[in-house]
Amino acid sequence: KNEVEQSPQNLTAQEGEFITINCSYSVGISALHWLQQHPGGGIVSLFMLSSGKKKHGRLIATINIQEKHSSLHITASHPRDSAVYICAAGTPGGGADGLTFGKGTHLIIQP
Amino acid sequence: KAGVTQTPRYLIKTRGQQVTLSCSPISGHRSVSWYQQTPGQGLQFLFEYFSETQRNKGNFPGRFSGRQFSNSRSEMNVSTLELGDSALYLCASSLGLAGYLEQYFGPGTRLTVT
Repeated sequence: KNEVEQSPQNLTAQEGEFITINCSYSVGISALHWLQQHPGGGIVSLFMLSSGKKKHGRLIATINIQEKHSSLHITASHPRDSAVYICAAGTPGGGADGLTFGKGTHLIIQP
Repeated sequence: KAGVTQTPRYLIKTRGQQVTLSCSPISGHRSVSWYQQTPGQGLQFLFEYFSETQRNKGNFPGRFSGRQFSNSRSEMNVSTLELGDSALYLCASSLGLAGYLEQYFGPGTRLTVT
């Protein structure tokens, strides 16, 4: 079973700061997912990656397969980025049952 | 294209009752997955359906069941509710198996058991 660790658990920063959230997993994966959950519960899929780097607007996700580590970066952070960010590791051959979720990083961006 | 919808959004039930939650996936998506989210355990996989077949089930008791219809809509049922079943129940749909493809989540059903 994959073990997924996220850090930090909580992060408070000022508007405009560069944010980094880390995710480590223990066994080989098919893909690494980054999810965003706003208060109220709805979850949005931000990225799904199996190698390299992806960018969408101010969000950047990277993954290092050898080190079993992924990072989510937010540039020029804004209060609307305040949310819980969750990473999920998918094991090869698995569907949703193969997804292991991290506990989440609670991010607050203050104006 | 309409997103994933879940009904009802909020539900209050009494211990011992049963409840049915509904999920309508994005048109064309054949996989529907269900998750339970609690403050203590985080997100936990319940089951995944693909083309009306349950593909797998998470580590939950038999009181939790589900099904998928020919139009890919899915329902999950919890019988003999316990206080510990209070949670946010999320469904997600994808074109194929969730581990390999992006999932699209619904807004969730918040179940409170008293």
